[in-house]
Amino acid sequence: DVKVTQSSRYLVKRTGEKVFLECVQDMDHENMFWYRQDPGLGLRLIYFSYDVKMKEKGDIPEGYSVSREKKERFSLILESASTNQTSMYLCAIGTSDFSGANVLTFGAGSRLTVL
Amino acid sequence: DAKTTQPTSMDCAEGRAANLPCNHSTISGNEYVYWYRQIHSQGPQYIIHGLKNNETNEMASLIITEDRKSSTLILPHATLRDTAVYYCIVCGFDAGKSTFGDGTTLTVKP
Repeated sequence: DVKVTQSSRYLVKRTGEKVFLECVQDMDHENMFWYRQDPGLGLRLIYFSYDVKMKEKGDIPEGYSVSREKKERFSLILESASTNQTSMYLCAIGTSDFSGANVLTFGAGSRLTVL
Repeated sequence: DAKTTQPTSMDCAEGRAANLPCNHSTISGNEYVYWYRQIHSQGPQYIIHGLKNNETNEMASLIITEDRKSSTLILPHATLRDTAVYYCIVCGFDAGKSTFGDGTTLTVKP
């Protein structure tokens, strides 16, 4: 089975700090995604990547950047954390089966609190 | 991607079948129906998916109506550990851009 590991389960940071959230997969999958999840708002796509050094903006990229220097690692960066970025952050990879269906495998999530 | 509608919450007695409905009346021909669940403070977990035919795996069964405008996820013998939020997603090629709304909160009671 595919495994998606997020580096930190719980983080507490101060306003203005730089925050790195790392996501690592153990297989050779191209498609990786970062979301945030907030009550009443569902999952919202921040950034995604279809290959090394490739990145695309999702629905809410403002205040975030990403890095994908190696295929197995997709990092989400908050250059200057703000209190409205307090949220649960979820990383996922997308895998296709023989029928063309596309299944997402999520990490356990990183709950970030910005004070 | 097509929009889905699910009930906000449902209860189920332990050991009984849990039937979770989903409406997706605007589904297009190449879109699959996927179900995920999210147990508190964890990432969503894939359960099952289907295109036209009913599907079954070790976790659940998926019943899709003939017109594909609705589907039902069936957990045949619900346990307390099945208490979670269940998401019905409809999407085409790129699942990563799927819309996860509020889902159905299923509470399995002893």
